[in-house]
Amino acid sequence: SAVISQKPSRDICQRGTSLTIQCQVDSQVTMMFWYRQQPGQSLTLIATANQGSEATYESGFVIDKFPISRPNLTFSTLTVSNMSPEDSSIYLCSVPGLATNEQFFGPGTRLTVL
Amino acid sequence: LAKTTQPISMDSYEGQEVNITCSHNNIATNDYITWYQQFPSQGPRFIIQGYKTKVTNEVASLFIPADRKSSTLSLPRVSLSDTAVYYCLVGDVEKGGGNKLTFGTGTQLKVEL
Repeated sequence: SAVISQKPSRDICQRGTSLTIQCQVDSQVTMMFWYRQQPGQSLTLIATANQGSEATYESGFVIDKFPISRPNLTFSTLTVSNMSPEDSSIYLCSVPGLATNEQFFGPGTRLTVL
Repeated sequence: LAKTTQPISMDSYEGQEVNITCSHNNIATNDYITWYQQFPSQGPRFIIQGYKTKVTNEVASLFIPADRKSSTLSLPRVSLSDTAVYYCLVGDVEKGGGNKLTFGTGTQLKVEL
């Protein structure tokens, strides 16, 4: 299994500002994923981040709002830009496991936008 | 990815067996059935996965009938610590579905004394 850490674990931000969330994995992985989980809701995939290429965004998510960096095989960042209260969510990163459909998730970053 | 339907919530008591059923009528030939568990303030955790018949591991069993249009996650002798949300997912890594997990609404299991 992979051990994943995220920073910060939580933050309270003002609208209009940006927050960068870091995801660190204890092993090298080709693919990393970023999800959003709004209060009381299920998880929604934001984008897939591959090292050395542009991230692939899911419908409803754009790079200008959620820029992603993937500088190496163990690290990625997700920035939530120009935040509004609707961006208040838990943001999680994950990496693939060995089994089909298996992913290991980080603990999440709880973001509150005032 | 096939759409899944599962109960929104279930209640149980410690020591009982809990069975959570998931419907996936449009499952494709190459799709696997996967279950995740999520505790409050944590990321989801992979529990079990199967393609057909029965799969058992140290945490749970997964029963899949021959037509594969549904599956049942069985948790033996639950405890308070099994209180969590359980997600049923269907997808296929060969089509990219396995890498792009689509989480449904999940089932909130509450275990009481």
